[in-house]
Amino acid sequence: QVQLVQSGAEVKKPGASVKLSCKGSGYTFYAYNIHWVRQAPGQRLEWMGWINAGNGDTKYSQRFQDRVTITRDTSASSAYMAVSSLRPEDTAVYYCAITYYYDGINYYDDPLDIWGHGTMVTVSS
Amino acid sequence: QSVLTQPPSVSGAPGQRVTISCTGSSSNIGAGYDVHWYQQIPGTAPQLLIYANTKRPSGVPDRFSGSKSATSASLAITGLQADDEADYYCQSYDSSLSGLWVFGGGTKLTVL
Repeated sequence: QVQLVQSGAEVKKPGASVKLSCKGSGYTFYAYNIHWVRQAPGQRLEWMGWINAGNGDTKYSQRFQDRVTITRDTSASSAYMAVSSLRPEDTAVYYCAITYYYDGINYYDDPLDIWGHGTMVTVSS
Repeated sequence: QSVLTQPPSVSGAPGQRVTISCTGSSSNIGAGYDVHWYQQIPGTAPQLLIYANTKRPSGVPDRFSGSKSATSASLAITGLQADDEADYYCQSYDSSLSGLWVFGGGTKLTVL
């Protein structure tokens, strides 16, 4: 079945960087855009950015574009998100997600219908 | 502060009907972009509940319905059940500089 498997929990010190992975299976990896969404403890979902897994084009939320880099490796069917200059407020669960079943007419109307299980990132001194 | 505004909490007794609002602006819902709704059980990933304003993914009961009008959208849940207790998020696209895919602040549904 279609699934996204994410890397394990991370603990980092302030100022460090982290690189998270998201491996797709059960579908043609390069045919679907991969989004990254985070959720701080008790807080709302926050969209961070996406990557076109086919051509590697990326779009970022203005809030994160200076510290976040999303890449992909089609040979590994994996997407990656690197976050630099980590702060305690970056402590959150980070999810990857795709639109697989319910495409919108246009890409901007795509819902996120397959989600990874999330990766907990803790930033603490 | 979220681009899409939801009430922090709603509640209802089993069997009742509740609605959750999602208010946006002319750069997102009002611009004609679709609204989607997600259900999140604490500790788990969100699950798509309603897409394209009114459509239900396969497996979602017809107790859940969505609507959209002007710059807002609503999620209605009828025949409330104990396992409907969860957090609910609306999501749309925003054409301003603030972000592209945007989520509401989330609404905690409590079944009394």
